[in-house]
Amino acid sequence: GENVEQHPSTLSVQEGDSAVIKCTYSDSASNYFPWYKQELGKGPQLIIDIRSNVGEKKDQRIAVTLNKTAKHFSLHITETQPEDSAVYFCAASRGAAGNKLTFGGGTRVLVKP
Amino acid sequence: NAGVTQTPKFQVLKTGQSMTLQCAQDMNHEYMSWYRQDPGMGLRLIHYSVGAGITDQGEVPNGYNVSRSTTEDFPLRLLSAAPSQTSVYFCASSYSGARGLREQYFGPGTRLTVT
Repeated sequence: GENVEQHPSTLSVQEGDSAVIKCTYSDSASNYFPWYKQELGKGPQLIIDIRSNVGEKKDQRIAVTLNKTAKHFSLHITETQPEDSAVYFCAASRGAAGNKLTFGGGTRVLVKP
Repeated sequence: NAGVTQTPKFQVLKTGQSMTLQCAQDMNHEYMSWYRQDPGMGLRLIHYSVGAGITDQGEVPNGYNVSRSTTEDFPLRLLSAAPSQTSVYFCASSYSGARGLREQYFGPGTRLTVT
């Protein structure tokens, strides 16, 4: 089955700096890669996703890049703010089975004011 | 819309007890899933359903049963609770669109402790 590795497990940045989280996946048939943000005591919430026919996608301060050849994808957060502090998860799935997500282990991001 | 709701929020069980975690969604989503979240391991898929009357196993199905009699509800049953089932459980729903399955919407979670 699919295996998703996520690094780093914790990330501390100064407010205004950029944060980068990296994930690798094992199943070359995976074609959908969402990123979730989880705040304390809440369920994960989708912040951005990318499909395998696209190499990069941006949404305001958030961007995701995908390298299918190397089987890795990354989340980039620019101009970080204290409200960006949370746990971030990457995930992968294949085909129409987008509800069968395989998650990475998560990255706890702390933005220091 | 209330989105995805889960009850209870917290539960403590003794080893061997059984219980049902409730999940409901009011978005008419055909797909529903159950995940468990353990520290440092992300979320792992327990069971999922692609529509009423249809369920299938995920990555970690042992010790859990599900059924999907209606589109709205997807309960998760623990048959005989074990300490290894101590975790936070999340229910999620999604729907298919023109470009395939869309975003999964997660509920707020149920924190279960088995002693």
